[in-house]
Amino acid sequence: GESVGLHLPTLSVQEGDNSIINCAYSNSASDYFIWYKQESGKGPQFIIDIRSNMDKRQGQRVTVLLNKTVKHLSLQIAATQPGDSAVYFCAENRAGGGADGLTFGKGTHLIIQP
Amino acid sequence: GAVVSQHPSRVICKSGTSVKIECRSLDFQATTMFWYRQFPKQSLMLMATSNEGSKATYEQGVEKDKFLINHASLTLSTLTVTSAHPEDSSFYICSAVRDRSTDTQYFGPGTRLTVL
Repeated sequence: GESVGLHLPTLSVQEGDNSIINCAYSNSASDYFIWYKQESGKGPQFIIDIRSNMDKRQGQRVTVLLNKTVKHLSLQIAATQPGDSAVYFCAENRAGGGADGLTFGKGTHLIIQP
Repeated sequence: GAVVSQHPSRVICKSGTSVKIECRSLDFQATTMFWYRQFPKQSLMLMATSNEGSKATYEQGVEKDKFLINHASLTLSTLTVTSAHPEDSSFYICSAVRDRSTDTQYFGPGTRLTVL
């Protein structure tokens, strides 16, 4: 069936380096994609989002890239800090618009090495 | 703004009892709220969509008679796990949408349910 998935379950990076977390999706009708950060025992925290009519969107230290041709989404975190350690989920809007329940990817655990 | 709270944050109950979890949007009105469930080391799975003043829409495989959802006001949705069993032990997370046209879902801190 259609799903959103991640290539790597765990990513370990050195503090100060850039991190890239990848996500593949299969529903070509998806219109809206979001990255969430989840710390242990807490709810997901919104990081950044992007719509299907965009290829790139930048926030503070984060950039999301969307490649609709290969149905690929990535989250780039610049100059990673210890506080970036968490599980990162990509999510998609199933209906292609409007406020519908999200389909989440499996998650990538980002580990920051000192 | 866009703060969502949940109560309780953690609950332990005996098998066969019912547990109510509240989800509140603190600084905005939410016409739509969502309930997700997350098992350890897994992703979030959508359980149901809760619309103010109407019946909830449940995802396939989610028992509506077991997971009762009430969205009585624009700031409150409740999830009641009826006749809870150990396999219902999970992390239950709600989210709320301030404006359907903007899509952004704001998540609550989650409720850890442990059924003994």
